[in-house]
Amino acid sequence: DAGVIQSPRHEVTEMGQEVTLRCKPISGHNSLFWYRQTMMRGLELLIYFNNNVPIDDSGMPEDRFSAKMPNASFSTLKIQPSEPRDSAVYFCASSRDSGGQFFGPGTRLTVL
Amino acid sequence: KQEVTQIPAALSVPEGENLVLNCSFTDSAIYNLQWFRQDPGKGLTSLLLIQSSQREQTSGRLNASLDKSSGRSTLYIAASQPGDSATYLCAVRMDSSYKLIFGSGTRLLVRP
Repeated sequence: DAGVIQSPRHEVTEMGQEVTLRCKPISGHNSLFWYRQTMMRGLELLIYFNNNVPIDDSGMPEDRFSAKMPNASFSTLKIQPSEPRDSAVYFCASSRDSGGQFFGPGTRLTVL
Repeated sequence: KQEVTQIPAALSVPEGENLVLNCSFTDSAIYNLQWFRQDPGKGLTSLLLIQSSQREQTSGRLNASLDKSSGRSTLYIAASQPGDSATYLCAVRMDSSYKLIFGSGTRLLVRP
């Protein structure tokens, strides 16, 4: 099994630009999670999907953040416009029913 | 509101020692508990998953126990090695949600 795949692994962009992060969950998993990790705030859940439907987006910090899951094998997290305080590592994770969550390698985002 | 606490925050031990990492939670209505390790600059690696009906899980030199009534879990690492150096995180999933609630982690250093 390939595990959770995220792209890009690193992204450096300038303030105001649009950023799109991508995730491919483990095949057969029906829940997908987007997290953000910073030194100051630790690991924060942004949004999660179950069977491609957003269940809880209460962790999405602002309207500048949006996430989609058009099918069971692909999800995107978009930030538009990006700001320096969005700099963090963004993780995607997936799980199946009663199983545990499995994390991807993360995308390190730097907004200048 | 569920709170997850990990003690100690940091631990330094000589190679070969057996050690115990602690995780406590305030609400016993958990669905499962998961232990992860995170290496610097990397994603979270799932180590062990304990369902609420289970008392312990073992994988190699790792053993995790769960006592729901007292709100505690321990991760036992036998014969520690320098390669075990990482941050160890515990996370609980509640009955009513897919969300994981994370502790702040224990940073482990195993000295050669």
